[in-house]
Amino acid sequence: NAGVMQNPRHLVRRRGQEARLRCSPMKGHSHVYWYRQLPEEGLKFMVYLQKENIIDESGMPKERFSAEFPKEGPSILRIQQVVRGDSAAYFCASSPPTGFEDNEQFFGPGTRLTVL
Amino acid sequence: EDQVTQSPEALRLQEGESSSLNCSYTVSGLRGLFWYRQDPGKGPEFLFTLYSAGEEKEKERLKATLTKKESFLHITAPKPEDSATYLCAVHASYNFNKFYFGSGTKLNVKP
Repeated sequence: NAGVMQNPRHLVRRRGQEARLRCSPMKGHSHVYWYRQLPEEGLKFMVYLQKENIIDESGMPKERFSAEFPKEGPSILRIQQVVRGDSAAYFCASSPPTGFEDNEQFFGPGTRLTVL
Repeated sequence: EDQVTQSPEALRLQEGESSSLNCSYTVSGLRGLFWYRQDPGKGPEFLFTLYSAGEEKEKERLKATLTKKESFLHITAPKPEDSATYLCAVHASYNFNKFYFGSGTKLNVKP
């Protein structure tokens, strides 16, 4: 009965390096969402994916950020050439592929990215 | 622009002192309003979904209610373990890809 899993839980990168954040949705869930949370702030939507498809990436910065959800394996949020402003908690959520009455999102524990 | 505003930003209560948290929204065409609890260093934990004005849901010491413009999370006789940040999110009918989150209310219950 595993929930949403994210790894790593903590990630430290130097400016200019790449960060890869992974998310495995709950069993049976085919919708994945990525959010960013700065300290003392709410969650900001970044991207919504289904298997092999990016449905809505309107919350993603235009440069350096990309996301994928392959047919097999976890969803990946990739940040290239990280800058200090990328330091935040990144949360993944998943929801099942049913009608909107069942569209509650279930969150993972997050990845805390620190850019030195 | 769609807005979700939560108040107060922070709330300190004595154990047993009941109170309410507010979530007001300006999303047109609400498909659902969600309440989450978030503990420090953890991901949000789902509490309730409300779909239509007048709806109420309860879980232990928590009760969520919904009107056409706002939702309340009532906490009855809180305990220290209820201390957390409570987040509200809305799902709009015209953009079902997104959940719009408020900034949360940080609740601290003193024994």
